[in-house]
Amino acid sequence: QMTQSPSSLSASIGDRVTITCRASQGIANYLNWYQVKAGKAPKLLIYDASTLQSGVPSRFSGSGSGTDFALTISSLQPEDFSTYYCQQSDITPITFGQGTRLEIK
Amino acid sequence: EVQLVESGGGLVQPGGSLRLACVATGFNFGDYAMHWVRQVPGKGLEWVSGISWNNGFLGNTDSVEGRFSISRDDRKNSLYLSMNSLRPDDTAFYYCARDQRVRGVSLLFDYWGQGTLVTVSS
Repeated sequence: QMTQSPSSLSASIGDRVTITCRASQGIANYLNWYQVKAGKAPKLLIYDASTLQSGVPSRFSGSGSGTDFALTISSLQPEDFSTYYCQQSDITPITFGQGTRLEIK
Repeated sequence: EVQLVESGGGLVQPGGSLRLACVATGFNFGDYAMHWVRQVPGKGLEWVSGISWNNGFLGNTDSVEGRFSISRDDRKNSLYLSMNSLRPDDTAFYYCARDQRVRGVSLLFDYWGQGTLVTVSS
């Protein structure tokens, strides 16, 4: 089971934000982050806890291992306001966090 | 350019059946495991089922066990999800997603389609 926090977050352009994800058991570094916008295909941002997917801006970064993980956006841009999900890829059934909705303050 | 295009969604009555399809272009489809992921409107993501690049079953979520079946046809670059005994709580956008690893399984998804909506209602 994956538990994300917060479930929603208000922030301003240029802010640094961090979203956390906790696994109910150790998953090494098998943790991935996705961005989901309404009406669009979900987008892989970070895989294996800290590897930036090709084409993703460097303001996104991931950290953690074992049970505690984080996604950080260093300086929010307008296109970053979206919903973010963590996902464990250690075992099936694959599970996602409940999502964090990032809104403009 | 990698593209995944889902089709086959629509309105179906409880207890009914649907077959979703996903056509892949821009990559060698036969080299990749594929998955279905769904999202109830306004809710979170849920992995539904996966199939390996060499047609092995990767599993599914408990709630679809015995009702949904995943398959692929590499000659047609297509992934399918056959859904039977549909229930109102199966209502969701269904996404086709590519596994990241070539000729292996990573259980993470590097490309997704835009989804097809399945509505189960009388």
